[in-house]
Amino acid sequence: NAGVTQTPKFRVLKTGQSMTLLCAQDMNHEYMYWYRQDPGMGLRLIHYSVGEGTTAKGEVPDGYNVSRLKKQNFLLGLESAAPSQTSVYFCASSYWAAAQYFGPGTRLTVL
Amino acid sequence: SQQGEEDPQALSIQEGENATMNCSYKTSINNLQWYRQNSGRGLVHLILIRSNEREKHSGRLRVTLDTSKKSSSLLITASRAADTASYFCATGGGSNYKLTFGKGTLLTVNP
Repeated sequence: NAGVTQTPKFRVLKTGQSMTLLCAQDMNHEYMYWYRQDPGMGLRLIHYSVGEGTTAKGEVPDGYNVSRLKKQNFLLGLESAAPSQTSVYFCASSYWAAAQYFGPGTRLTVL
Repeated sequence: SQQGEEDPQALSIQEGENATMNCSYKTSINNLQWYRQNSGRGLVHLILIRSNEREKHSGRLRVTLDTSKKSSSLLITASRAADTASYFCATGGGSNYKLTFGKGTLLTVNP
């Protein structure tokens, strides 16, 4: 099993550009999450999903959109990237009230 | 906003010594989890303790939970250089599937 995978691993964008981060899990988890990690800030929840076709806002959702068209995939979109979105992005998945399994992260720089 | 706050922010010990990290939180929880993050990698789940449990063990890890003081501690016994990492506590609240992470403790184990 691959667990949780993220694509791409690194990306550099210019301000105003758009991109989509892909998260895939092969553990049949219902719940999936997108976090961002910034120095000194820990992890902050951007959006999450409790099942295929559902999404919900987390702590810092502004500037991001998500979609969960298939149970195994959770996409995070940036429509118009801003320097404040420079961060490391982590995807995770889990069963209800259980351990979360994290992907390796995507390091995004917005110039 | 961060729910859990780890203490200390950084800890440096010698191989073979024990390492203790603490986590305090503010609101009632259903469970508390500890994660490890090696530099440049995703988070790895270590242990989950439910609100009705007081202590839990896993290998060289011992976690305690005091809901009256809203605090938890993670003890790593006989530390190894490979234990060098950041350690995060995460609290699960009413929704159970969402976690709120602290900012982490950076543990350095010197060989």
